[in-house]
Amino acid sequence: SQTIHQWPATLVQPVGSPLSLECTVEGTSNPNLYWYRQAAGRGLQLLFYSVGIGQISSEVPQNLSASRPQDRQFILSSKKLLLSDSGFYLCAWSTLGQVETQYFGPGTRLLVL
Amino acid sequence: AQSVTQPDIHITVSEGASLELRCNYSYGATPYLFWYVQSPGQGLQLLLKYFSGDTLVQGIKGFEAEFKRSQSSFNLRKPSVHWSDAAEYFCAVGPFSGGYNKLIFGAGTRLAVHP
Repeated sequence: SQTIHQWPATLVQPVGSPLSLECTVEGTSNPNLYWYRQAAGRGLQLLFYSVGIGQISSEVPQNLSASRPQDRQFILSSKKLLLSDSGFYLCAWSTLGQVETQYFGPGTRLLVL
Repeated sequence: AQSVTQPDIHITVSEGASLELRCNYSYGATPYLFWYVQSPGQGLQLLLKYFSGDTLVQGIKGFEAEFKRSQSSFNLRKPSVHWSDAAEYFCAVGPFSGGYNKLIFGAGTRLAVHP
């Protein structure tokens, strides 16, 4: 069966520091991968998606970037965090097919102080 | 533009009571529709989904949802709520777009269950 991991689970970082959040998927090949941000009391905003290694598409301009160095690894990064980067970050995967459903990881809670 | 509206931000029900969470969408074609549940501090778990066929779909944990094209709605229901159902519920529309499935989420409905 497929599983998705995210780490760390919780992170507290000072403003201006770098960021690296990691997401890995097991049990599937060539998944589509997604990064979402969930601000407190709000819905989910799609940040990035990837349909293959090295292929990243950004949905909104922001202080963050994403990379996909391996088929089942998706990394969210920032060179300098802003206060507004605080939130709950969720990674999701799906398999391209006739009916495509996204499955979510446990999330990383980021607090920028 | 595609959008999803969940009119109720908070809902409180008594344990054992029935539940209906509303979801309305705006989309130009037949949508793919999803309901997810999120417990505090956790990721999202898929409850059910609709793509085509029977407009009443069954999901996990005793939930069901009905697609009504004429009303652009996909309301989630459960006949008898359990205390463990307290969580946040998200409706999503998925216009499949050439290689990936961009989900558009509603703002969510937070469900509280009174004993």
